[in-house]
Amino acid sequence: AQRVTQPEKLLSVFKGAPVELKCNYSYSGSPELFWYVQYSRQRLQLLLRHISRESIKGFTADLNKGETSFHLKKPFAQEEDSAMYYCALKATGANNLFFGTGTRLTVIP
Amino acid sequence: NAGVMQNPRHLVRRRGQEARLRCSPMKGHSHVYWYRQLPEEGLKFMVYLQKENIIDESGMPKERFSAEFPKEGPSILRIQQVVRGDSAAYFCASSPPSGGTSGAYEQYFGPGTRLTVT
Repeated sequence: AQRVTQPEKLLSVFKGAPVELKCNYSYSGSPELFWYVQYSRQRLQLLLRHISRESIKGFTADLNKGETSFHLKKPFAQEEDSAMYYCALKATGANNLFFGTGTRLTVIP
Repeated sequence: NAGVMQNPRHLVRRRGQEARLRCSPMKGHSHVYWYRQLPEEGLKFMVYLQKENIIDESGMPKERFSAEFPKEGPSILRIQQVVRGDSAAYFCASSPPSGGTSGAYEQYFGPGTRLTVT
């Protein structure tokens, strides 16, 4: 069975500091991993996906199959990064996403 | 494109009543997904539909819950005889017909309907 774990419910960092939001997954196959973000009073939206290997808003995430992790990183946090972040997994052949419980990031000015 | 629309945004029902949640996918999207988020939990998949077809309902409770996506009109998630445990945020997402060669695709989420059962 698939499982996505985000160990931190809350994370606070100072503006300009590096930030890392942790995501670990459990899945026997080859997963597709995503990060979704929900800013205050906005809907959930895709931030990035591992197959794109792109940087969005300064965020990157690398899929580490050995550690079964997909941590989200940004070298210098900005106040506008404050939001709820969800890691999600799509299993091979599946249509739906498995979500972690989310991490609320607060960037302190 | 107005994005995925859900209504109502807030719904209050007494125990035993029926709740109907509506979702209009993005223009051009024919795939709809319903997720439920209980307090302090992540979104949990309920059902995946295409027009007039339920493709995957593995996350739907066996009783009282049903979903449809008719040829015309929005997708509807229906909860009969609601109980307090049904109180949650219900999110709808839609995606385009093709997942692309990589199989990856993007789901676009609606703002959610917050159901409160009193």
